[in-house]
Amino acid sequence: DAGVIQSPRHEVTEMGQEVTLRCKPISGHDYLFWYRQTMMRGLELLIYFNNNVPIDDSGMPEDRFSAKMPNASFSTLKIQPSEPRDSAVYFCASTLGGGAGTQYFGPGTRLLVL
Amino acid sequence: AQSVTQPDIHITVSEGASLELRCNYSYGATPYLFWYVQSPGQGLQLLLKYFSGDTLVQGIKGFEAEFKRSQSSFNLRKPSVHWSDAAEYFCAVAGASGTYKYIFGTGTRLKVLA
Repeated sequence: DAGVIQSPRHEVTEMGQEVTLRCKPISGHDYLFWYRQTMMRGLELLIYFNNNVPIDDSGMPEDRFSAKMPNASFSTLKIQPSEPRDSAVYFCASTLGGGAGTQYFGPGTRLLVL
Repeated sequence: AQSVTQPDIHITVSEGASLELRCNYSYGATPYLFWYVQSPGQGLQLLLKYFSGDTLVQGIKGFEAEFKRSQSSFNLRKPSVHWSDAAEYFCAVAGASGTYKYIFGTGTRLKVLA
């Protein structure tokens, strides 16, 4: 299996621009998680889906952030408009069954907002 | 409040020396406990996990961890560190009662001296 795939790996954009991060979970996994990692706040869960349905988005920082999962093999995290404080590494992870299941992480997208 | 504490931000050991990384948690229910490792520029990889049963769990790469309920701890150990173990290590807790949200510690960065 190719593992969790994220694109792009690096993104540099200017403040105010729309940013879309993409994730392809491991085939067959029914849970998908979006995390943000910063030096100041560590690793934070933003949102997670079960069977393509958002279950908990309490970690989404602001209305500028939105996430979708149109099908079992694809999810997006969108930031519109982006701000410099959104600069971070964004990880996608997937698991089968949730809870006790091991979460498999993608390589992350390093976002820099100028 | 649920939390995970990794009191050591940085640890430096010599190659061949033993290693112990500390993790303390605060969790109301019976927790699931995890240790992940993150190499530079990479996503997180699971080292080991504890759900129930034997409180000493073995993981990959020669790591082990011991769950001590009385101390609310789940410390990671390795008897002899290799230079390739240099990375950042994260402890995480998840609920056994159905919540699928991991709570991560802030991480411990391990440096290995040749």
